This record gives sequence, structure tokens and C-alpha cells, in this order.
Amino acid sequence: DTEVTQTPKHLVMGMTNKKSLKCEQHMGHRAMYWYKQKAKKPPELMFVYSYEKLSINESVPSRFSPECPNSSLLNLHLHALQPEDSALYLCASSQGVNLQNPRALHFGNGTRLTVT
Amino acid sequence: AQKVTQAQTEISVVEKEDVTLDCVYETRDTTYYLFWYKQPPSGELVFLIRRNSFDEQNEISGRYSWNFQKSTSSFNFTITASQVVDSAVYFCALSEQQRTNTGNQFYFGTGTSLTVIP
Repeated sequence: DTEVTQTPKHLVMGMTNKKSLKCEQHMGHRAMYWYKQKAKKPPELMFVYSYEKLSINESVPSRFSPECPNSSLLNLHLHALQPEDSALYLCASSQGVNLQNPRALHFGNGTRLTVT
Repeated sequence: AQKVTQAQTEISVVEKEDVTLDCVYETRDTTYYLFWYKQPPSGELVFLIRRNSFDEQNEISGRYSWNFQKSTSSFNFTITASQVVDSAVYFCALSEQQRTNTGNQFYFGTGTSLTVIP
């Protein structure tokens, strides 16, 4: 079983809806990530949180809004999405942000999002 | 420029055959880290191995083995006696040292889809 838990597993939403994706880890990791993955493509980095502060935003549209309430939780708030935003959204965590010694990313199972 | 190249898009093998997945990377750093992940149809990316640039010793874990060659910037992955459960997409990834406290960047290759036929 994965140690990074994502909910929901599947989500269908209309373009006017507001929804949130949730991610939780209890490994004591201090870096958390959101990735977006389209079919047959590698994961694309969206956001990185380091010690609960947003450290990387890969020019993601403002209709995606991340939030890190505490060191164990990571949310992705969705509003006014487009059909092309349909994808698998993966949360990951890693052991701190030791710049000299990057540790592996630990991924959740992802949320399969469909925007209609 | 693509930092990690996985030239094999799709591979099919018959069960019990050996298969090698290629990974070529590009970096100017002398210290870097390489990873392999497995993504079965269920979607989760499963961490398989992490290797730093100073450790060129090949590694074996059960039916899995990795061949790291700095001279050719390659980090290839071999599955011996493949099984149907090995069917998945495999990603190679590179992480370089960061110069600012923004978190480690991971560069993923485009993945190789492996199908093991029973």
C-alpha cells in the first residue's frame, strides 16, 4: 500500500464547478509535490511545497490553486477547469529538500480527473 | 533539451524472456541522482531504485538489475525472466543538485511501455 494517500480516486466535474483534491502523507517528509500526467506521457511538475511554503510553481494557470495546511497535507483547489485539464493528478512527497542529496519521490495513487 | 531520453516507446516480450529498458541522460553536474519508477495500469508510480553519480557499481535486486555507465550517460534497467506482472510503463528520472532552496527537480523520461505476453 502506498504511504501517500490521495482522495478522491476519481472525479468528474463540470467547467463551472469548484472541487478540491487532497493528499496526505505521514512519513515526516517536508517536501510535497503536485504532478499532472496525461495518457502515455510522463508526469509534469505543477507545484512544489518545501516546509509548507510554495517553492516552485511551474507557470500553472490560476484555475489550479495549491494549499499546504500543514506538513502532512496538500490540497489542490480546482475552479473553472477546461476539458483539456482532464488527466491523472499525482501527489508525491520526498524526505526534506536536502539539496545535496535528493531522495526519491513517493507517489500516491493519483486522482483521475475528468472535466466535462 | 530533453534531459532524460528513453528511446524505446513500447516493448513486447514473451514471458520468461529477459528485457532491457534503455535510459540516456544529460547533465552538466558532477553530482546527480538517477531513478527508475514503475507505473502499472493502476496509476501509482512505484519507486524502484536511486543511484548517485559516484556509485557506478551495478545493482541487482531479485530479477531486476541496473547498469550505470557514466561514460555513455546511461542507466539501463534489465528484467530477467519477465513475468506478466512486470507489464507497466517504466520511467527513468534524473535529479540534479539545486542551487537554491526550492526543492529538488526531477526530470522524467517519456517512459517505456512494457507488455509481457503470457
